[in-house]
Amino acid sequence: DGGITQSPKYLFRKEGQNVTLSCEQNLNHDAMYWYRQDPGQGLRLIYYSQIVNDFQKGDIAEGYSVSREKKESFPLTVTSAQKNPTAFYLCASGDRWEETQYFGPGTRLLVL
Amino acid sequence: GNSVTQMEGPVTLSEEAFLTINCTYTATGYPSLFWYVQYPGEGLQLLLKATKADDKGSNKGFEATYRKETTSFHLEKGSVQVSDSAVYFCALSDEMNRDDKIIFGKGTRLHILP
Repeated sequence: DGGITQSPKYLFRKEGQNVTLSCEQNLNHDAMYWYRQDPGQGLRLIYYSQIVNDFQKGDIAEGYSVSREKKESFPLTVTSAQKNPTAFYLCASGDRWEETQYFGPGTRLLVL
Repeated sequence: GNSVTQMEGPVTLSEEAFLTINCTYTATGYPSLFWYVQYPGEGLQLLLKATKADDKGSNKGFEATYRKETTSFHLEKGSVQVSDSAVYFCALSDEMNRDDKIIFGKGTRLHILP
């Protein structure tokens, strides 16, 4: 089955701790994206990557970091510098020619 | 810059009612337009899309027509079901945009009452 997987489904972070959210896709898409969704809000773009070993900041990159060492994988680290990390995090991948993004099921991050 | 504006929710309807969710856009080029749907606790799924003026996207009884003259892409369904309860996002992708980003509206929550 082709698709995008995110893990874990729920993640708990302690104060001062870095946590990493996983995103994997087997759709052979070049582009991958991370969004943050707060209750009652739309999607805000954190980081995106159009090709392996390259990525760009989105609208709210502060307190987050990413890597793109493999085409299939685009992990997001929420660092201790992110003071309000509680949110629903969505990963997506896309094909330039199709202009459509495919989303994973999301990870809900909660602060203890 | 590019932007998408959609009607604020929540929208509450009875089952079998007619649905319209308004969406208007601003774009510098010739965008493709999309509606995505998000069911509770899940990621977004593409519902339908249209790539040029006067195109009609349709799926699962939902329709939206790309109106260049009014810069609109309103979502409609003739008879909604309880299972249509979800958040609906209007979005655009501009061919002039070299970084493959999609611009999303803020979403409209839809509640269907049995």
